[in-house]
Amino acid sequence: QQQVKQSPQSLIVQKGGISIINCAYENTAFDYFPWYQQFPGKGPALLIAIRPDVSEKKEGRFTISFNKSAKQFSLHIMDSQPGDSATYFCAASLSGSARQLTFGSGTQLTVLP
Amino acid sequence: DVKVTQSSRYLVKRTGEKVFLECVQDMDHENMFWYRQDPGLGLRLIYFSYDVKMKEKGDIPEGYSVSREKKERFSLILESASTNQTSMYLCASSLRAGNEQFFGPGTRLTVL
Repeated sequence: QQQVKQSPQSLIVQKGGISIINCAYENTAFDYFPWYQQFPGKGPALLIAIRPDVSEKKEGRFTISFNKSAKQFSLHIMDSQPGDSATYFCAASLSGSARQLTFGSGTQLTVLP
Repeated sequence: DVKVTQSSRYLVKRTGEKVFLECVQDMDHENMFWYRQDPGLGLRLIYFSYDVKMKEKGDIPEGYSVSREKKERFSLILESASTNQTSMYLCASSLRAGNEQFFGPGTRLTVL
């Protein structure tokens, strides 16, 4: 049962453009929503995360927007750079759950120079 | 820095072979995880462990088993490898529940 749906599967953006990746979740008990970034040949690494008590979190060029009523959250990459080309995964989890994370299917982002 | 290491980057095995994938973390983390990564399917949890000798099934445990005899080491075992187990396998660890997961570089397993 896929509890976190991610789109699009792939995304091509010009350098300097805005990249937007969307995720939707089903379990209203989820209370932690991280995004992971994975470069080829590497394991995923935490990029940015949000909890549902805020609607937006920004770290540099990366912003998470969170819509609790719609059960959706998204990653925005401003001024996208070729170095941002990677696979991005959204995830969701329950506090105190040892299992922790349910991942989306991933988005392969390509930023053209 | 947290370091999660996996015993092999690439592995080729034959159908029916017993396969061991080893993962070691050096930061005294309580939780360890094995995921499988396939294109279009994201990361799917196979098994996780929240303490030594403790394990719980994830979403796709069939055909796999795990072992955690020491806190720093978590092994994934394919008792009889099959071609549909050809995949990228990722190990991760976290300090405790609710904390960031740190991933190893992955083992690309091919079963012929």
